[in-house]
Formats: sequence, C-alpha cells, structure tokens
Amino acid sequence: KNEVEQSPQNLTAQEGEFITINCSYSVGISALHWLQQHPGGGIVSLFMLSSGKKKHGRLIATINIQEKHSSLHITASHPRDSAVYICAVVLTYSGGGADGLTFGKGTHLIIQP
Amino acid sequence: NAGVTQTPKFRVLKTGQSMTLLCAQDMNHEYMYWYRQDPGMGLRLIHYSVGEGTTAKGEVPDGYNVSRLKKQNFLLGLESAAPSQTSVYFCATTTSYGPRHYTFGSGTRLTVV
Repeated sequence: KNEVEQSPQNLTAQEGEFITINCSYSVGISALHWLQQHPGGGIVSLFMLSSGKKKHGRLIATINIQEKHSSLHITASHPRDSAVYICAVVLTYSGGGADGLTFGKGTHLIIQP
Repeated sequence: NAGVTQTPKFRVLKTGQSMTLLCAQDMNHEYMYWYRQDPGMGLRLIHYSVGEGTTAKGEVPDGYNVSRLKKQNFLLGLESAAPSQTSVYFCATTTSYGPRHYTFGSGTRLTVV
C-alpha cells in the first residue's frame, strides 16, 4: 500500500534555484506534515497543514484537499537545504490521530554550490 | 533542553541478544510512538502509546515489545535481535489535543550482526 507518494525521489539543483517537491495521497486525511532530515541527523517538523498555504522564511507549503496534493517549495535554494524532505499524513480513520503519521518515502535533495 | 531524548544513539548487537531503547520526553505529551526507518522505505510504525500504562501495535510490531510505565518514558525492547531489525529507530511524541505537532528524537542506529 502506498498511501503517500512523493516526487521526485531524488533532486539535484544548483544554488539559487526554485525547488518544488510534491506529495500526493490517496486517502482522507485530517492533516499533512512536511519534515526535514539532514544526513545522519534527526527529523525536524517544518509545517503542519490542513488547508491553504504556510510560509516560513524561504520555505512555502501548500495543500489542495480536493486534489489530495501538497507541495513544498524552497526559494533561493542554498547548499544547507540539502536534506531528505518527508511528507507525512494523519489519516482520518486513524482513531482521531492517535496512531500517528503515515509517511512518504522522502525526497533526497542536493543543492550544489 | 526540552524535547525528546533517545538512548543509546548507536548500538551493535549480535543475533539473539536483547536490548532496550529508551525514549524520554519532558514535553508532557500524551502520545508517543516508535518508528523504524529503512532505506527506500518510509518510516513505519512499530508500537505506540496514548498514555501512561497503555500501548498498542503499529504496522510492524513483530519482534518488539514496549512499555510505558511513566508518562515521560516509552521503552522499546528487542528480546532476541535478528539481522532484519537492523534499522534506524525514531521516537516521536505529540499532544492528545489541538494542533498535533510532532517532535522526534535524534534516532538510534542499530546494527544486528
């Protein structure tokens, strides 16, 4: 079962480029999370979305509930943005969210100087 | 520092040995989770707990046991380790109400030889 699909799996770009990572899901959700994981590092929460759009610094996350799709954008990308970006959802049938997140496989982003 | 602390950070076990991973949080979160992360796969839920004294099975519970005797601690046990349990293990916590932002531990890299 692949309830959460991310694309692309791998992305290499030049510093300064505009980056888009996509996430599609096939089931009903109550929330969607974007997470960041640096090589060998822990996992950090970037955004939680249930509708619309959120922005934090150079990062923008959008969600379209009707189309079951979310995007994470990075403007003016920098080598320190190199990381794995993970999309995760809270399923609506998950007992109110008690049984946690369902994760995509992640997008491995490399920003070259 | 406030947050979620996992111990140990690294461990090498021989097949058949046992060990316990500790997740400790000082955020007063009700919900706690153990996930495993394997190459090419999204994080998968092993066990979770919605409060002190309660635990439940996730997607991949076989070979693991858990306990939550105190609200702040969630223990993951491997009674007889197998090479298939070589993985990176993450603990996560969240609240039982309101917007559920997740906080992750820094991970435990376990190798079973």
